[in-house]
Amino acid sequence: KQEVTQIPAALSVPEGENLVLNCSFTDSAIYNLQWFRQDPGKGLTSLLLIQSSQREQTSGRLNASLDKSSGRSTLYIAASQPGDSATYLCAVRSEKLVFGKGTKLTVNP
Amino acid sequence: SAVISQKPSRDICQRGTSLTIQCQVDSQVTMMFWYRQQPGQSLTLIATANQGSEATYESGFVIDKFPISRPNLTFSTLTVSNMSPEDSSIYLCSVLEGDTQYFGPGTRLTVL
Repeated sequence: KQEVTQIPAALSVPEGENLVLNCSFTDSAIYNLQWFRQDPGKGLTSLLLIQSSQREQTSGRLNASLDKSSGRSTLYIAASQPGDSATYLCAVRSEKLVFGKGTKLTVNP
Repeated sequence: SAVISQKPSRDICQRGTSLTIQCQVDSQVTMMFWYRQQPGQSLTLIATANQGSEATYESGFVIDKFPISRPNLTFSTLTVSNMSPEDSSIYLCSVLEGDTQYFGPGTRLTVL
């Protein structure tokens, strides 16, 4: 059974800092991995999708990496802004999409 | 990317009643998914709904409690039946477009 873990559960940083969010999964037989953003009480916004054959994907200030063999992914956020404050969820797709519990990010002005 | 809307956005309901949540997608999709997010928890898949067939429920979820309709390729409903406070959650509709999963804004349900 696939299990997804995200560390840390919460992170508070000053504006402008570069940061890394971590995601690990137990079964490396995945099709892809997706990072989402969730604002309080809201739905999920897709940020990046990495196929199992890819090593990384970039979108603006976001860069996601995937090391399938070790069961790890990271989401790198450059030059963080207060508007980046949200919960970031990692999800891996094997037979179905399995989510981690997320990392709650607070970027302080 | 698919644009998904849900109604209602939030509701407060009494124990023992039922609530039907509507999900509308701006394009035709084969599969629609319903997820639950309990307070402080991650998302859990309730069921997968294909047009023209019975929904497929995940372990721990049953049709009598969470009946689902899928009358066409752009619309689905999820009913939460005979509600109890433990049903208080955010319910999210989702679709798969290519390899990317998209989510609606969610319905925040509080059961008193």
